[in-house]
Amino acid sequence: KQEVTQIPAALSVPEGENLVLNCSFTDSAIYNLQWFRQDPGKGLTSLLLIQSSQREQTSGRLNASLDKSSGRSTLYIAASQPGDSATYLCAGNTGGFKTIFGAGTRLFVKA
Amino acid sequence: DTAVSQTPKYLVTQMGNDKSIKCEQNLGHDTMYWYKQDSKKFLKIMFSYNNKELIINETVPNRFSPKSPDKAHLNLHINSLELGDSAVYFCASSQETSGQETQYFGPGTRLLVL
Repeated sequence: KQEVTQIPAALSVPEGENLVLNCSFTDSAIYNLQWFRQDPGKGLTSLLLIQSSQREQTSGRLNASLDKSSGRSTLYIAASQPGDSATYLCAGNTGGFKTIFGAGTRLFVKA
Repeated sequence: DTAVSQTPKYLVTQMGNDKSIKCEQNLGHDTMYWYKQDSKKFLKIMFSYNNKELIINETVPNRFSPKSPDKAHLNLHINSLELGDSAVYFCASSQETSGQETQYFGPGTRLLVL
């Protein structure tokens, strides 16, 4: 049974700092791993999707990596901005239309 | 244009009532989902539909009945609402035949059962 864990649960950083959010999963037989952003009272916005055959994906200041052998994914945010403040969720797809979400990391970037 | 829309956005109702939440996607996707996000913000899948057929029913009480009249719509009907049903319900869709593609989420329906 796939379980997804995110560390830390919450993070507060000053503006401009580079930061790393961590995600771990128990079942290495993962089809893909997706990172989402959720703003308070809003739905989820997909940030990056890494297929099982890939090791990383980049979009602007965001870089996500995937290491299936160790069961880990990281989301790297460069030069953080107050607008990056949100909850970041990682989700592992084990196939068969089933996606398992972590509990999220609440990020606060101070101006 | 809204890709995945849900109605209503807020729903406040009494215990024991029956209610429905509607979801529509205009992305041409063939797979749709319902998720529940509880008070601790933990998101759990409830149902997956692919081409109007139920693929996943994740041990959800049978008071919850999804209905997909066509590939663009997936509605959720809840009978005999209970206090524990209070949560945010998210609809999502994706274009996939094997469950490997990006999911697009609706804005959520905030259900409060009194």
